[in-house]
Amino acid sequence: DTAVSQTPKYLVTQMGNDKSIKCEQNLGHDTMYWYKQDSKKFLKIMFSYNNKELIINETVPNRFSPKSPDKAHLNLHINSLELGDSAVYFCASSPRDRGNTIYFGEGSWLTVV
Amino acid sequence: DAKTTQPTSMDCAEGRAANLPCNHSTISGNEYVYWYRQIHSQGPQYIIHGLKNNETNEMASLIITEDRKSSTLILPHATLRDTAVYYCIVSSTFKAAGNKLTFGGGTRVLVKP
Repeated sequence: DTAVSQTPKYLVTQMGNDKSIKCEQNLGHDTMYWYKQDSKKFLKIMFSYNNKELIINETVPNRFSPKSPDKAHLNLHINSLELGDSAVYFCASSPRDRGNTIYFGEGSWLTVV
Repeated sequence: DAKTTQPTSMDCAEGRAANLPCNHSTISGNEYVYWYRQIHSQGPQYIIHGLKNNETNEMASLIITEDRKSSTLILPHATLRDTAVYYCIVSSTFKAAGNKLTFGGGTRVLVKP
């Protein structure tokens, strides 16, 4: 069973479109994250949720909106996609007592054309 | 969180031990050393972490100097599947939420036959 799963794995879309990436974890973790890895391969945190509550919101355009319907799911909605949004987006989760032991999903490759 | 310095890349021979250094001279007393790796086209994977004692698990060993200003990750018998980018991260831990691991450039390790 996949611990942190995200869909879709690959997404090619045109500028201006709105898209969503879904994430689910079956580890029973309280905290979930979205990270972005750009073309230079640097991995940066975007958002963190703890029990459906937004904890970390880094400097991310408000076109990006995370939504956590329950603590096992954290979806990422992106409005008005731009070329610079092309990247790999990783969902992740961590347990309450070992917050820095983070389990990552396999990534969603987003290409905006 | 304290900053870390790692070599950009290194090669090692299959079957031999791989020793990956990391400098973290500004580490503070409550900060742990974490190691993650990212195999090509996959999400980052937690390897090991430690505070001041040496640690070992099924994947690797972590040796932290007595002054805690540097550490070494040891892969005891490197295989081709260990080819990846290895990240050394220093962070305070055991916070219930709000963790945001900062990934630097890491060390690109190439295991050669």
